[in-house]
Amino acid sequence: DGGITQSPKYLFRKEGQNVTLSCEQNLNHDAMYWYRQDPGQGLRLIYYSQIVNDFQKGDIAEGYSVSREKKESFPLTVTSAQKNPTAFYLCASSTRRGGTLHFGNGTRLTVT
Amino acid sequence: GENVEQHPSTLSVQEGDSAVIKCTYSDSASNYFPWYKQELGKGPQLIIDIRSNVGEKKDQRIAVTLNKTAKHFSLHITETQPEDSAVYFCAASWYSGGGADGLTFGKGTHLIIQP
Repeated sequence: DGGITQSPKYLFRKEGQNVTLSCEQNLNHDAMYWYRQDPGQGLRLIYYSQIVNDFQKGDIAEGYSVSREKKESFPLTVTSAQKNPTAFYLCASSTRRGGTLHFGNGTRLTVT
Repeated sequence: GENVEQHPSTLSVQEGDSAVIKCTYSDSASNYFPWYKQELGKGPQLIIDIRSNVGEKKDQRIAVTLNKTAKHFSLHITETQPEDSAVYFCAASWYSGGGADGLTFGKGTHLIIQP
């Protein structure tokens, strides 16, 4: 069954620590995306990648980093520089030139 | 850049009644308008979309209408059922292929279906 897998579902970290969120897809999609969702807010784009070894900043990239070494994988690192990291993080993918966004089931990150 | 406003933020309707969620957008170049449904603890799923060369699109109990002149589009759900309870997001894109790097989301509407 094709889809996007995000792990873990819940993640707890202490302030000042970097943390990496995993995202894997087996849809053979070229494009992958990270969104952040806060209560009462829409989905805000953090980073996106249209092809392996290339990625672009979205609207709220500060304090985050990504890599795209494999087509299937697009991990997101939340660094200690992110001032308000507690949020629900969603990974998505799509065919390279448009098409439907397919989302994973998200990772809820809590930083204390 | 594009700005998408979505109303209402919360909508409560009786089971069997209709629900309407409205969105406005600012960029007249936007040409792709998807709607996503997000159930609790899950990622959003596309439920219907419309392109700017079409004024209305229907899929069973769900329909979307688009008014390009007024720059607004709406989601209509008829004969609502308990499983329709969720958060609904509208979005707009200026990208010619509807690619998500140009997708701007509304803030969402929490639809509650009362039994």
